[in-house]
Parts: sequence; structure tokens; C-alpha cells
Amino acid sequence: DSGVTQTPKHLITATGQRVTLRCSPRSGDLSVYWYQQSLDQGLQFLIQYYNGEERAKGNILERFSAQQFPDLHSELNLSSLELGDSALYFCASTLSSGGVYGYTFGSGTRLTVV
Amino acid sequence: TQLLEQSPQFLSIQEGENLTVYCNSSSVFSSLQWYRQEPGEGPVLLVTVVTGGEVKKLKRLTFQFGDARKDSSLHITAAQPGDTGLYLCAGSTSGTYKYIFGTGTRLKVLA
Repeated sequence: DSGVTQTPKHLITATGQRVTLRCSPRSGDLSVYWYQQSLDQGLQFLIQYYNGEERAKGNILERFSAQQFPDLHSELNLSSLELGDSALYFCASTLSSGGVYGYTFGSGTRLTVV
Repeated sequence: TQLLEQSPQFLSIQEGENLTVYCNSSSVFSSLQWYRQEPGEGPVLLVTVVTGGEVKKLKRLTFQFGDARKDSSLHITAAQPGDTGLYLCAGSTSGTYKYIFGTGTRLKVLA
């Protein structure tokens, strides 16, 4: 157990729907990162939050949004889902705003859009 | 756009063999990390290297950061089936808060 909790572990939904993925960071970590991993594109950085504020943005689609709450858990919202959104979505956390001490990853949410 | 390319993409070897995985970029990185990811799990940090030419050892794994800090290698001696997984390098350039992940090397060690 890495200390980073992601729910749900699996999610199957239809095209056009909206889903919310949840992440609780490791105790004490202030920064949360979201990544998308698909078979042909590796691990793609989506967005980072630090202590409730957006810190960096990667290749995140406009249909996707995220937030970090006062208790530091984070949610990634995916809307108007398309088949191509099927992927593993990982959350990672770090103590500081940067990842110099390494990211602690959760076990991921496998999203299947049908 | 920063790009970290790893080679080879896939590697299947017999138990006891040695192997080297490479991570290359045209960018200079302030630090570079290696992760191993097993099926159904998230990546797990193996090592962080920050100094050009730095060599770090973790049991049978040897990590090297290039002198110019643009490349890195991971060498595994006497590979075991437990080494099977996806190996990812990740680099951070100065002034950014995020690490760019490489394309990954999928290693399979056969008993």
C-alpha cells in the first residue's frame, strides 16, 4: 500500500457520460498530480494541484477538470466521454510542490468507455 | 516539447542474463528518476539522480546519469523473474514542477 488511495478501481461507462475519479494523497503530502496512461501513449501528465491551488497543467482536455479540496483529496472529472478516453488514470502525491523526492502513485482507476 | 525516449521498447530475456535500458533526450534535466511499474499497480520510484555522471546502485540494478544530464541508463545484472515490469524514466528541467515520463521499456524475464 503506497498510501495514495484511488477510487473506484474500475469504471465502465458509455460514451457521452460523465465520471468522477477520486484520489486521497499520502498523509502529509500537499501536492497531487493526475496522469493518464494508455497503451500507445505512455504516462501523460494532466494536471497538478498544490495545497488546493492549480500549479501546473499538461495535456488535459477541456472536457476534463480537476480540483483539490481543503482536506487535500482531489477529484478528476471527465465529461462527454469518448472511446479514446479509455485508459488508466493515476494519481500521485508529493510532499512539496515538486517531485524531486519522487512521486508516490496510487493503484489507478481503469476507465473503460463503451 | 520535451521528449524522453526509452530503448528498447520491449525486452524479453532469460533469467540470469544482463540487460541495459536507455533513456535519452535532447533536453538537459536537473534530475532524473527511474520507476518500475507492475501490472495493475502504479509506478514505484527506484532512484533519483541529480549530478551529471552520477552512478547509483540498488542491489542488482545500476543507474547512471549522463555527464551532460541528457541521458541515463539502467543496467540489471543477473535478471530475475521478479524484475519483470514496465521501467519508466522521468526527467525534470529546472524551474518546472513536473516530471516528463519516458515512453517506457517493458521487460519480461523468463524463468
